[in-house]
Amino acid sequence: AQRVTQPEKLLSVFKGAPVELKCNYSYSGSPELFWYVQYSRQRLQLLLRHISRESIKGFTADLNKGETSFHLKKPFAQEEDSAMYYCALSETGANNLFFGTGTRLTVIP
Amino acid sequence: EPEVTQTPSHQVTQMGQEVILRCVPISNHLYFYWYRQILGQKVEFLVSFYNNEISEKSEIFDDQFSVERPDGSNFTLKIRSTKLEDSAMYFCASRVLDGNNEKLFFGSGTQLSVL
Repeated sequence: AQRVTQPEKLLSVFKGAPVELKCNYSYSGSPELFWYVQYSRQRLQLLLRHISRESIKGFTADLNKGETSFHLKKPFAQEEDSAMYYCALSETGANNLFFGTGTRLTVIP
Repeated sequence: EPEVTQTPSHQVTQMGQEVILRCVPISNHLYFYWYRQILGQKVEFLVSFYNNEISEKSEIFDDQFSVERPDGSNFTLKIRSTKLEDSAMYFCASRVLDGNNEKLFFGSGTQLSVL
C-alpha cells in the first residue's frame, strides 16, 4: 500500500516566490510525519518533523489529519533551497520510515 | 556534527557475486537501519537492528540479505548472490534511541551496480 504520496516529481519556482511541496499520506492510525532533504552530493538529512512544530530554514509543515496531508511550505524560496525533498511517515510504535518518491525543487535565480 | 560513514561509495559487482556494504554508525547510537533507493524510485526500508539482532525487516529483506555488527563499530549489509535488481543506492542510518522522537542520521550511501 502506498503510504506516502508526493504528486510532483519536479517543481520549479523563482527566487523569492512562495513554494509548497505536497505530501499526502494513507494511514488509519496516528502517524508521525517528517520531511527529509537531500542537497546535491550530500546525505539525506532531517528537515523537520510534525511533532516538534518547528520552522527550519524558513520551512514549515502542518499536519492536516482531515486532508491526510503534510505539505511543506516556505514563503520566499532561496536558491540554496534547491534540493530533493522527501516526505516520510512512521506508523505508531514502529521505528522504520516509509518515504515518498520525492520532489526535486529547483529555485530559479 | 557526528556522521554515519559508509564504504565504499560505489561498488560494482557481477550478478551472482556476494557483496558486503559497510557502515560505521555514530558511536553512541544503539539503533541501526538499512534503506535502499532504486534509481528513480523512493527510499525503501530494509531492516532495523538493535542489541545484536534484527528488530524489524521488510519484505525486500529476504534470505539473500543479512546484517551483522561484527566488532561493535561496523554494521554491515551482505547480499549473498546479487541480482540485477539489487542495483540501488544503499543508505545506512542510526540513532541513539528507538522511536521517532530521536533524530535519524543517514550515511551518504553506497551506490551498488550489479552487472
